[in-house]
Amino acid sequence: AQSVSQHNHHVILSEAASLELGCNYSYGGTVNLFWYVQYPGQHLQLLLKYFSGDPLVKGIKGFEAEFIKSKFSFNLRKPSVQWSDTAEYFCAVNYGQNFVFGPGTRLSVLP
Amino acid sequence: DAGVIQSPRHEVTEMGQEVTLRCKPISGHNSLFWYRQTMMRGLELLIYFNNNVPIDDSGMPEDRFSAKMPNASFSTLKIQPSEPRDSAVYFCASRGQGAPGEQYFGPGTRLTVT
Repeated sequence: AQSVSQHNHHVILSEAASLELGCNYSYGGTVNLFWYVQYPGQHLQLLLKYFSGDPLVKGIKGFEAEFIKSKFSFNLRKPSVQWSDTAEYFCAVNYGQNFVFGPGTRLSVLP
Repeated sequence: DAGVIQSPRHEVTEMGQEVTLRCKPISGHNSLFWYRQTMMRGLELLIYFNNNVPIDDSGMPEDRFSAKMPNASFSTLKIQPSEPRDSAVYFCASRGQGAPGEQYFGPGTRLTVT
């Protein structure tokens, strides 16, 4: 079965620190890639998505992600995090009719 | 658009009772997904429908769980009988044909079985 892995279960950063959350997937064909964010007590919301074209994708709230096909990776980055970025982040992959979420990474930003 | 609508938002019930969760997808979307989220297991896909037809129900935990989608604008997830280990947040999500893969999530139903 295809899978999505996220490198870290829990990341703790201070405000203004840079962020990179890793995501790798196992499917070798054409994929669509997503990052979702879930703020405490809320539902999942789309942060950014990649379908085709420029592998560097910019999303909301200053987030970006880079698709590296040769590494089967789609890492999420933000140059300077804020306390309000405290949330859980899910990477997801769509291929054909299938849609697979990673296990999530919890980000805690200390004020 | 109102987005994906779920009801109830919170449900507290006693073990052995039947529980029905409801979902109204975004109008025009043709795929619908039910997820369960717990601290222990994270986000789990239970079942998804395409054009009202169940495509993959391999994530449904056991026969106590059933899901239906009688029309394009309504789906239910039923647990009968409920057990304390079913306590979780249940999310419904929908996806349109024109946006491959992008799912829109509802606010969730927080289920507590005592």
